[in-house]
Amino acid sequence: SQTIHQWPATLVQPVGSPLSLECTVEGTSNPNLYWYRQAAGRGLQLLFYSVGIGQISSEVPQNLSASRPQDRQFILSSKKLLLSDSGFYLCAWGGFGSGYTFGSGTRLTVV
Amino acid sequence: DQQVKQNSPSLSVQEGRISILNCDYTNSMFDYFLWYKKYPAEGPTFLISISSIKDKNEDGRFTVFLNKSAKHLSLHIVPSQPGDSAVYFCAARDFKAAGNKLTFGGGTRVLVKP
Repeated sequence: SQTIHQWPATLVQPVGSPLSLECTVEGTSNPNLYWYRQAAGRGLQLLFYSVGIGQISSEVPQNLSASRPQDRQFILSSKKLLLSDSGFYLCAWGGFGSGYTFGSGTRLTVV
Repeated sequence: DQQVKQNSPSLSVQEGRISILNCDYTNSMFDYFLWYKKYPAEGPTFLISISSIKDKNEDGRFTVFLNKSAKHLSLHIVPSQPGDSAVYFCAARDFKAAGNKLTFGGGTRVLVKP
């Protein structure tokens, strides 16, 4: 069966520090992968998606970037965090049918 | 521009009664709709879905209704249970958009009182 792993679960980072969040998927090949963010009290905003290795599409201009170095690995990064980057970050893989399968999320607090 | 809207940010219901969650959309290219349930500090989990060629889909206590002419869908939970207390997101897929992306609403927080 397919599983998705996301880490770390929580992260507290100072403003201006770098960020790296990792997501890996097991049990499937060539998945569509997604990074979403849920800001406090808000809905789920799509940040990036990838349909294959090295293919990244950005949905909103921001301080973040994404990379897909391997088929089942998706990384969210920032060179310098802003206070506004705080939120709950979710990785997902998906296709048709039941939509996405989400990871357990990372709570990022920028201080 | 919010293409998927959940206008009720919260809902409180007595255990055993019906919970009705509503969702409106604007994009006529949406062809598939889903509901997700989310507990705090966890990722959303899939609940139920419906294709645009149908107007109703039922799975146990959960039923989703789709009114394409009104661009409106709703989720009915009957009977509501305390474990249903969570945030519910509706989502929609634009079949013409690349990447099989889902657009999510802002969520409705449901509290089921014992």
